[in-house]
Amino acid sequence: DAKTTQPTSMDCAEGRAANLPCNHSTISGNEYVYWYRQIHSQGPQYIIHGLKNNETNEMASLIITEDRKSSTLILPHATLRDTAVYYCIVSDLYNQGGKLIFGQGTELSVKP
Amino acid sequence: GAGVSQSPRYKVAKRGQDVALRCDPISGHVSLFWYQQALGQGPEFLTYFQNEAQLDKSGLPSDRFFAERPEGSVSTLKIQRTQQEDSAVYLCASFWAPGAEAFFGQGTRLTVV
Repeated sequence: DAKTTQPTSMDCAEGRAANLPCNHSTISGNEYVYWYRQIHSQGPQYIIHGLKNNETNEMASLIITEDRKSSTLILPHATLRDTAVYYCIVSDLYNQGGKLIFGQGTELSVKP
Repeated sequence: GAGVSQSPRYKVAKRGQDVALRCDPISGHVSLFWYQQALGQGPEFLTYFQNEAQLDKSGLPSDRFFAERPEGSVSTLKIQRTQQEDSAVYLCASFWAPGAEAFFGQGTRLTVV
């Protein structure tokens, strides 16, 4: 069962930052926060992951609260190609073999 | 290859027919996962291999579902006596190690008629 709660859908204007929230109030100390996205008719794509510190890569930034009970994925300048379902997953992959448990995700629509 | 390859991309099966879905992971990736994704839902875990060993098959919905990875590279998901409820996209993912980034294939869309 997924251990995260995400809004079902969100809209964002093209060129603006998209901020996608995720609640994971039962996260344990060894669990990482992972974000994947799935563009229509494709397999999921890895975006970013983190444990407790904020992380940034070429795709996005991940902000994790100090108590680790929630996080936000930030796409700094959303484009139409960022329209997708975004999944927030918490997992202790090192002890669970890499198993990712997906929830329903957030359907992000980027509009011109 | 450049990524995870799945074949066929589309499969239509008559109810009761057996099907075999193939996954070619990225070369050198130790871990391989199978997921089932129904329309409008997130992917659901089916089974997991580390090399040729099937370490977790807790997600397989019935004994009609069987997966193998005999040489630790290519994997096959077999569904016997297909039913309409088996209609879904079947996704394969590989990792070079647990905790690393997962690479997913495009999936096989199975339609049982």
